[in-house]
Amino acid sequence: SQQGEEDPQALSIQEGENATMNCSYKTSINNLQWYRQNSGRGLVHLILIRSNEREKHSGRLRVTLDTSKKSSSLLITASRAADTASYFCATDATGTASKLTFGTGTRLQVTL
Amino acid sequence: GAVVSQHPSRVICKSGTSVKIECRSLDFQATTMFWYRQFPKQSLMLMATSNEGSKATYEQGVEKDKFLINHASLTLSTLTVTSAHPEDSSFYICSARLARINEQFFGPGTRLTVL
Repeated sequence: SQQGEEDPQALSIQEGENATMNCSYKTSINNLQWYRQNSGRGLVHLILIRSNEREKHSGRLRVTLDTSKKSSSLLITASRAADTASYFCATDATGTASKLTFGTGTRLQVTL
Repeated sequence: GAVVSQHPSRVICKSGTSVKIECRSLDFQATTMFWYRQFPKQSLMLMATSNEGSKATYEQGVEKDKFLINHASLTLSTLTVTSAHPEDSSFYICSARLARINEQFFGPGTRLTVL
């Protein structure tokens, strides 16, 4: 399987703490994207980082990309209960006509 | 922003029947749409790439005769699950690619339950 791996599989933190999720992938990529999914709902696009970028910020989100290690991390700072969701990375591999391969996901629980 | 809709959002059917799911790009044209399947507590798995005006491209292990895809217009792709069985029960999600920025926008998903 070409599916990427994410760790941890599950993460439980308290409101106000930071949450870090990691994603590893197997092929050369054009870009890597992070998505959020609330239980039983569709995907919400969070951030896209291109292969020539190393770090990107969007609000409380910080994404890093290390193409030499084929890995990415998503940091959510000052987490809120509303951040409770599953988070997936997805890679757009080179030569695949924009097909996305999703990671296994991290289930984040933020408690009050 | 680009909006993608799916219809129906939920469907329950009897084993052996066929179910059609629609995916529409509401405010942009999409020559390429994608269909994914997601089992409970698992990730999304790409089933097929739907190309407007041509045959869909199926991923390995996905039966093209069971999952019929039609992309007859630049704003609509349909997935028909033929002769559905309980093991086809899943969450089906489509996405539409906005070529101008090479980004996919996802529909809200369709939950299929086959009894």
